[in-house]
Amino acid sequence: KAGVTQTPRYLIKTRGQQVTLSCSPISGHRSVSWYQQTPGQGLQFLFEYFSETQRNKGNFPGRFSGRQFSNSRSEMNVSTLELGDSALYLCASSRDSPRNTEAFFGQGTRLTVV
Amino acid sequence: KNEVEQSPQNLTAQEGEFITINCSYSVGISALHWLQQHPGGGIVSLFMLSSGKKKHGRLIATINIQEKHSSLHITASHPRDSAVYICAAVNTGNQFYFGTGTSLTVIP
Repeated sequence: KAGVTQTPRYLIKTRGQQVTLSCSPISGHRSVSWYQQTPGQGLQFLFEYFSETQRNKGNFPGRFSGRQFSNSRSEMNVSTLELGDSALYLCASSRDSPRNTEAFFGQGTRLTVV
Repeated sequence: KNEVEQSPQNLTAQEGEFITINCSYSVGISALHWLQQHPGGGIVSLFMLSSGKKKHGRLIATINIQEKHSSLHITASHPRDSAVYICAAVNTGNQFYFGTGTSLTVIP
């Protein structure tokens, strides 16, 4: 069965631009979570979606937003990019909830803001 | 102070050694995940625990809910075990709190 797929794998953007990242979960999984990983802050939780609804949100500014479609695919958008947004962005899918089912991670999208 | 603390931060072991990585957390949790991250970024979920102990091959994970502590053990370590190991606590709101990771190097 196919794993979690994130596209694109690498991205270079300029400050002030916006970016959209995509995450396709494992078939049958309804929960998708997004994370940011930087050398300084480590892994941080962005938000979690379940059945097209945002269930929880981490402590990030409103420039970070997301959505989930009826097929459970999710997108994350970052507007007005800043240099500090350069990071590895990971998504993970779970069948139901990461508090009671295993989470499967994608390979990540490495975003560089110049 | 981080909600999840891991120790040690770095660990170097000889092949065949028994390895223990510790994770303490201060938040109320529904589950704790142990993750493995290899260079290049990909993360693999090793265990999800809410109580007791789990074993997969040479890996063992335990959790003590009362003491808010979990351990990951690797028996008969091998160079391919070299990676960063991260513990992540999940609260009832599905929010993850991550440890800073333990970088493990196993020398042949």
